[in-house]
Amino acid sequence: NAGVMQNPRHLVRRRGQEARLRCSPMKGHSHVYWYRQLPEEGLKFMVYLQKENIIDESGMPKERFSAEFPKEGPSILRIQQVVRGDSAAYFCASSPSSGTSPGNTIYFGEGSWLTVV
Amino acid sequence: AQSVSQHNHHVILSEAASLELGCNYSYGGTVNLFWYVQYPGQHLQLLLKYFSGDPLVKGIKGFEAEFIKSKFSFNLRKPSVQWSDTAEYFCAVNTGGFKTIFGAGTRLFVKA
Repeated sequence: NAGVMQNPRHLVRRRGQEARLRCSPMKGHSHVYWYRQLPEEGLKFMVYLQKENIIDESGMPKERFSAEFPKEGPSILRIQQVVRGDSAAYFCASSPSSGTSPGNTIYFGEGSWLTVV
Repeated sequence: AQSVSQHNHHVILSEAASLELGCNYSYGGTVNLFWYVQYPGQHLQLLLKYFSGDPLVKGIKGFEAEFIKSKFSFNLRKPSVQWSDTAEYFCAVNTGGFKTIFGAGTRLFVKA
C-alpha cells in the first residue's frame, strides 16, 4: 500500500517563477492537507481539501498561493511569482476521515523542498 | 485558539540516558494526541497516538507517552535513548475538526 506520494522532492525556482507541488494521497484517503515547514518554526497548517472542495484555507497566504484537489489526479499546491521567503519544505498529508475518530490519523508524504534563488 | 507548546527546542543526551519531551496543549474538550518523529531529511512518521482509553500509550521503537488530562499534557518518554533516535519530534493535537495542530518541534541529539 503506497504511502502519500509527493513530487518533486526538490525544486529550485528563480524569483518570479511558478512552483507546482503535487501530492497523491494514500489509497482510500479522501482528505488532503498541506503543511509548510520553516526552519525553527515547526509545521504550519496551510489548507485542507477534499475531492473538488477546499474546506479550509485559513493557513494559506492571501496572495500567490492556491491549492486544488480535482476529481481525478493529485492535489496540487501552486505558488505563483515565488519569492525567497517561500523557500521551505512543503508536506502533504492525508487521512481517511476527519474529526476525533480513531481513523483520523494523518500520514505524511516525504515532502517537497522548494528553494527560491 | 488551540495551540501546542513544546517546552524544549533542543535536547542533547548521551546514549542510554532517559528521555522526556514535554508537550502541552490548550483546549478544554475532547482531543486526539500524536507524536511524530522526523529523521534528518525525511518525512514525518507517526510514533504513537492517543484517542481514548488507557492514558499511557506505547508506540514504536520503545517510545511511550502519557496523557494527563488535568495538566493538558502529553509527554513523550523513552527509558534509554540510542544514537539512532537523533531526530526532531513533533507533538500534535486534533480537537475534533479537520485541522491537526503541531508544536514547534524538539530537536534531539544523542551522543554516541
